[in-house]
Amino acid sequence: DQQVKQNSPSLSVQEGRISILNCDYTNSMFDYFLWYKKYPAEGPTFLISISSIKDKNEDGRFTVFLNKSAKHLSLHIVPSQPGDSAVYFCAAKYNFNKFYFGSGTKLNVKP
Amino acid sequence: NAGVTQTPKFQVLKTGQSMTLQCAQDMNHEYMSWYRQDPGMGLRLIHYSVGAGITDQGEVPNGYNVSRSTTEDFPLRLLSAAPSQTSVYFCASSPRHPSPLHFGNGTRLTVT
Repeated sequence: DQQVKQNSPSLSVQEGRISILNCDYTNSMFDYFLWYKKYPAEGPTFLISISSIKDKNEDGRFTVFLNKSAKHLSLHIVPSQPGDSAVYFCAAKYNFNKFYFGSGTKLNVKP
Repeated sequence: NAGVTQTPKFQVLKTGQSMTLQCAQDMNHEYMSWYRQDPGMGLRLIHYSVGAGITDQGEVPNGYNVSRSTTEDFPLRLLSAAPSQTSVYFCASSPRHPSPLHFGNGTRLTVT
């Protein structure tokens, strides 16, 4: 039973527009959330994180929003660039650094 | 700074063979873990370790063994390979929680 779900396998966005990637979770004990980006034939690389005591965290073009009541996490990329095309995974933990990952969303940013 | 290094990058095994996937990190991280990535399933935790001499099971531990004799190394052993273990395997490490995981570049394993 997946505790972290990404229901959109793919997303296509025009360069310069906003990309919004979504993630839902079921475990209310999760206290730390991450987004990772993955290119083919490489390992996932850390993008941005948020603690459960916050509802927003920004880092340049990337913003993560956390809605604890809805158990929903989202990643906003503004403006989107062709180099952002990759698979994005959300992840969450509640114990040590045992992270549970979603199934990923493949983002395609069209020039 | 090498980070997390995984070897080999690719491996083909026959059913029933055993092998060890190597993982080493040079960041003095206490926490290390193994994930497998399958299409539509994301990354699933196989085993993890919170320090030398301490290991525990993740979500999908069956068919795999681990040990952690040093801080740097965390090998993953397949005891008797099965086609269901065909996957891409990622090793990851991190300092004490809460911290992001640092991933290696993966080992692509095919079991025929």
